Amino acid sequence: DTEVTQTPKHLVMGMTNKKSLKCEQHMGHRAMYWYKQKAKKPPELMFVYSYEKLSINESVPSRFSPECPNSSLLNLHLHALQPEDSALYLCASSPLYSGTSGTSYEQYFGPGTRLTVT
Amino acid sequence: DAKTTQPPSMDCAEGRAANLPCNHSTISGNEYVYWYRQIHSQGPQYIIHGLKNNETNEMASLIITEDRKSSTLILPHATLRDTAVYYCIVKSIREASGSRLTFGEGTQLTVNP
Repeated sequence: DTEVTQTPKHLVMGMTNKKSLKCEQHMGHRAMYWYKQKAKKPPELMFVYSYEKLSINESVPSRFSPECPNSSLLNLHLHALQPEDSALYLCASSPLYSGTSGTSYEQYFGPGTRLTVT
Repeated sequence: DAKTTQPPSMDCAEGRAANLPCNHSTISGNEYVYWYRQIHSQGPQYIIHGLKNNETNEMASLIITEDRKSSTLILPHATLRDTAVYYCIVKSIREASGSRLTFGEGTQLTVNP
């Protein structure tokens, strides 16, 4: 199974709502990522989790709160978002570097959640 | 990470080879060239990577110049489903995992019937 799944596919929320995005992988990857992609722009990294611990936060506003409850799941909790936060939110996973030759360590991406904030 | 430069767009006829160039003149010795693509409204997809030798897999071939300052991704028989934005990314293997992928603007490849 080389799939990263994301739910929901689409989400519309008001600025006072609280919602969560979910990501799941069963490839045994110990690195998981959240990216944000605005229309016609490349993806931009938001967070990285390594061994279920937050290792990189790209100065993301606190209205985005990531959580990694176990090695297969990654959540992104959303609260008090702004209309400019409307975007495609992509989850990815990859193995963590181990020095094993022949491993490409590529990131596997999910299909994304299309978020609209009204 | 070394900076990459790609043409913003390219066209290719269906069934013909698509050759996508990438310049990475500041690449350092331990950095690999990775290629990803993103079909409209889907997540990016890994294609291939290489250090200095040419590489081939079931999706594409990667040709890296001897001085490693540029590379070309080759889709040997492009189909309409290959229409996508193609990203060239330079990264060390160690930093490829657990770190950011810095996507540039990429090349929009349009395969025409």
